[in-house]
Amino acid sequence: AQKITQTQPGMFVQEKEAVTLDCTYDTSDPSYGLFWYKQPSSGEMIFLIYQGSYDQQNATEGRYSLNFQKARKSANLVISASQLGDSAMYFCALEGNYGGSQGNLIFGKGTKLSVKP
Amino acid sequence: NAGVTQTPKFRVLKTGQSMTLLCAQDMNHEYMYWYRQDPGMGLRLIHYSVGEGTTAKGEVPDGYNVSRLKKQNFLLGLESAAPSQTSVYFCASRPLPRDGYTFGSGTRLTVV
Repeated sequence: AQKITQTQPGMFVQEKEAVTLDCTYDTSDPSYGLFWYKQPSSGEMIFLIYQGSYDQQNATEGRYSLNFQKARKSANLVISASQLGDSAMYFCALEGNYGGSQGNLIFGKGTKLSVKP
Repeated sequence: NAGVTQTPKFRVLKTGQSMTLLCAQDMNHEYMYWYRQDPGMGLRLIHYSVGEGTTAKGEVPDGYNVSRLKKQNFLLGLESAAPSQTSVYFCASRPLPRDGYTFGSGTRLTVV
């Protein structure tokens, strides 16, 4: 069975510092994808970054990078130079497999990041 | 482009009432999903569709029904609402597996 775990319910970071949000996963599928989404207080879900299990390099998108350690089954999100606007809930998600049909994301419970000025 | 549009944005129902949530996307995406989000629970998949005319159950399908008669629309129905269905409902779509989801803005439903 697929499982995604975010162990940090909440985190604080000082503005302009880097922060790492943890995510571990479990899947028996040799081919899978990992996603990170941001949910600000306004409620919308914003796609941040994607890592495929066969990708040779860690994914990067601007200030976001994904520290993918396949053997440890971890896919941590690193945000560099934190900004006040980064304060939000962050969700890690794993490509799931319900009823034999792929295409579904399984979400972790999220980490609430608060950026302090 | 509108992307994914959910209607309504807010709704209050009495226990036992029925309602339909509409999700419409204008990106010609094949895959569409309905999730619910509850405090401390993340997002959980209710039902999904891999194409027009197809639907399938997700993690928490009980008490909900869905239909995908047209490719661009994915409807979520509550036949007899219960307080346990108080939640924020998100619709999402994607063109193919491994693509990122595009989410709607959510529907906040309260059942009293």
